[in-house]
Amino acid sequence: EAQVTQNPRYLITVTGKKLTVTCSQNMNHEYMSWYRQDPGLGLRQIYYSMNVEVTDKGDVPEGYKVSRKEKRNFPLILESPSPNQTSLYFCASSYTGVGGYTFGSGTRLTVV
Amino acid sequence: QQQVKQSPQSLIVQKGGISIINCAYENTAFDYFPWYQQFPGKGPALLIAIRPDVSEKKEGRFTISFNKSAKQFSLHIMDSQPGDSATYFCAAWRSSNTGKLIFGQGTTLQVKP
Repeated sequence: EAQVTQNPRYLITVTGKKLTVTCSQNMNHEYMSWYRQDPGLGLRQIYYSMNVEVTDKGDVPEGYKVSRKEKRNFPLILESPSPNQTSLYFCASSYTGVGGYTFGSGTRLTVV
Repeated sequence: QQQVKQSPQSLIVQKGGISIINCAYENTAFDYFPWYQQFPGKGPALLIAIRPDVSEKKEGRFTISFNKSAKQFSLHIMDSQPGDSATYFCAAWRSSNTGKLIFGQGTTLQVKP
């Protein structure tokens, strides 16, 4: 089944403790992206990647890191999480860059 | 700076009615406008999309109307059903920039039986 897989689905952590949210797609897509979803703010793009080793900042990149060492994987790294990063995170991928992203099921992160 | 503005924030429609959600964008470089549908606990799913060289696109009960000069586009859901109750997002993509898809704030639609 073609899909974008994120792990974990739920995560509660403490301020300052580094964490990684994994994302993998099995559709051989070139484009991948991370979004965060907050009430009233919609989906805001954190980072995106057009191919291996090619990444760029979205609208809210502060406090996040990404890497694209393999085509299928695009992990999101929070080096020192803070409570304002409590949110619902989505990973997404796309074949051509146009035609829309396919989204994962989301990771609900709580930073206390 | 909100590049894609969506309204209303919430919408209640009776079964069989027409649901209308509006979006406006600022950057004329956008050249692809998708709508996403999101159910609780799920990721957004592509519903329908349009390019600016087309004024209208219809897929089943879902229609996008596009007004390039006004930089506005809207989603119409005809014969709305309770199963359409979800959050809807408009979005805009600038293909020359690749990868950067910008979303509106979302509209929560409730269709009453």
